[in-house]
Amino acid sequence: DGGITQSPKYLFRKEGQNVTLSCEQNLNHDAMYWYRQDPGQGLRLIYYSQIVNDFQKGDIAEGYSVSREKKESFPLTVTSAQKNPTAFYLCASSISAGSVTEAFFGQGTRLTVV
Amino acid sequence: GNSVTQMEGPVTLSEEAFLTINCTYTATGYPSLFWYVQYPGEGLQLLLKATKADDKGSNKGFEATYRKETTSFHLEKGSVQVSDSAVYFCALSGGSSASKIIFGSGTRLSIRP
Repeated sequence: DGGITQSPKYLFRKEGQNVTLSCEQNLNHDAMYWYRQDPGQGLRLIYYSQIVNDFQKGDIAEGYSVSREKKESFPLTVTSAQKNPTAFYLCASSISAGSVTEAFFGQGTRLTVV
Repeated sequence: GNSVTQMEGPVTLSEEAFLTINCTYTATGYPSLFWYVQYPGEGLQLLLKATKADDKGSNKGFEATYRKETTSFHLEKGSVQVSDSAVYFCALSGGSSASKIIFGSGTRLSIRP
């Protein structure tokens, strides 16, 4: 079955550590996105990528980094520079066909700083 | 820039009640509009979409009509069920935000048996 897979589902990080969240898709989609969701709030865009080896900052990119070396993969690193990293992180992909960029989402990774 | 505004929740209704969740948008160009649903602890799932003015998206008894004159895309359902309890997000893409999907803040819906 085609889909988008995030791992791990739960992740605990000590303060000062970098952690990497995995996102893989087998939908052959060109575009991939990372969003952050805080309790009771909407989705805020961290980074997005329209094509391999290219990505752009979203609204809250500070303290995060990404790479897009393969079409299928778009890992997100939460660095120690991110002051408040505890949140639910969602990865998405879309075909990026014209302007109808309907997105498919993974199940999310809940990151907790301990 | 483009933006989406949703009615604030939470919204609590009794089973079989009529549902409306308001969504308005600001956009240049001709965006596509979406409603997504999120069940507890999960990612978002596309509920319905509309790609041009006057289009009506529908799925699972939910409907929304793309109203360019009022820049709105309100979500409606005639008779809600307990299983409809979730968070609903209005979103847009395209127009001047062709590369991005912009979400509203979400509306939490709770249905009482």
